[in-house]
Amino acid sequence: AQSVTQLDSHVSVSEGTPVLLRCNYSSSYSPSLFWYVQHPNKGLQLLLKYTSAATLVKGINGFEAEFKKSETSFHLTKPSAHMSDAAEYFCVVSDRAEAGNNRKLIWGLGTSLAVNP
Amino acid sequence: DVKVTQSSRYLVKRTGEKVFLECVQDMDHENMFWYRQDPGLGLRLIYFSYDVKMKEKGDIPEGYSVSREKKERFSLILESASTNQTSMYLCASSSRGGRTETQYFGPGTRLLVL
Repeated sequence: AQSVTQLDSHVSVSEGTPVLLRCNYSSSYSPSLFWYVQHPNKGLQLLLKYTSAATLVKGINGFEAEFKKSETSFHLTKPSAHMSDAAEYFCVVSDRAEAGNNRKLIWGLGTSLAVNP
Repeated sequence: DVKVTQSSRYLVKRTGEKVFLECVQDMDHENMFWYRQDPGLGLRLIYFSYDVKMKEKGDIPEGYSVSREKKERFSLILESASTNQTSMYLCASSSRGGRTETQYFGPGTRLLVL
């Protein structure tokens, strides 16, 4: 069975400092991995995704994540935090459905990122 | 620009009422999903549909039903609302095609059951 663990429920950084949001997964298959972001009172938005191409994936708003198979990790980073980065971040792994063309996602519990001035 | 809309942003209902949550997508996506989001529990899949009139149970289908009569519209029904169904409900859609397609989300409906 596939699963995903976000190692920190809350992360607080100062504006201009690096961001690191940690995610570990377990998967019996070659996974697809995603990071989604949810700003307050807004819908979930895809930040980036890994689909077995380049292991370093660049996303929107300066975020990137590196797929490390040996460590079963997909940590999200950004060199310099901005106030607008304050949001909830979800790490997600794909699940091969048993039948049909549908696909289920396995969601982490989320990491709340606070950015202090 | 892709768009998923949900019929209400906020909804207040009483215990025992029948509740309809509607979701519409304009991307001609085959797959549609209903999730609920609760603090500390992340997103949990209630139901999904991979074609018109097709549906499959997700992880927490009890107390819910769904309807997909048209490709663009996916409705979530609470037959008899209960207080433990107070939650944020999120609709999403994606195209058919394997493990890598992105899910696009609506803004959510925050439901309060009194």
